[in-house]
Amino acid sequence: AQRVTQPEKLLSVFKGAPVELKCNYSYSGSPELFWYVQYSRQRLQLLLRHISRESIKGFTADLNKGETSFHLKKPFAQEEDSAMYYCALTSGTYKYIFGTGTRLKVLA
Amino acid sequence: NAGVMQNPRHLVRRRGQEARLRCSPMKGHSHVYWYRQLPEEGLKFMVYLQKENIIDESGMPKERFSAEFPKEGPSILRIQQVVRGDSAAYFCASSTQGQASYEQYFGPGTRLTVT
Repeated sequence: AQRVTQPEKLLSVFKGAPVELKCNYSYSGSPELFWYVQYSRQRLQLLLRHISRESIKGFTADLNKGETSFHLKKPFAQEEDSAMYYCALTSGTYKYIFGTGTRLKVLA
Repeated sequence: NAGVMQNPRHLVRRRGQEARLRCSPMKGHSHVYWYRQLPEEGLKFMVYLQKENIIDESGMPKERFSAEFPKEGPSILRIQQVVRGDSAAYFCASSTQGQASYEQYFGPGTRLTVT
């Protein structure tokens, strides 16, 4: 079955510390992976997708097919990074499968 | 462009009543998706519509739930005879095309509470 697992409900780090938000997936084919972010009182928005291989707001994510992971990383966390982060996959169609989300708290 | 609009933002219904959730897609978007987020869970796909057509309703509960996207006006997600288990956040998204490579833009959601 297709599934996205985000093992941490809450991740607290200090400002300036590295951040890694974990995402593991279960899918038999070649999925497309995404990270979505929801800042406080704002709507869900796309942060990055694996096919574009870009860095957004200092965040990167590498698709590791061997480990079936798509962890989100940032070398130096900032307070404005505090938000809810969702990992999602599709099989190349419109149907997203979302993880349960990880709340990132960056402490001053 | 105001983005995807959803109303109401909060809706309280008693058991047995009907709930109507509205979604206006972004300008120029003709593809609409509804997702449901139960407490402590991720967003789950419910239905995909294009103007006047239901393309995929594989995620919709078989009973009491229906969706439409008329030629004119917003998309409507309708829940008849609501039960406590329907309490959730319902998100609508829209895109210009119905493929993953085309970004889905999400609305702010409607939080439904069934008392």
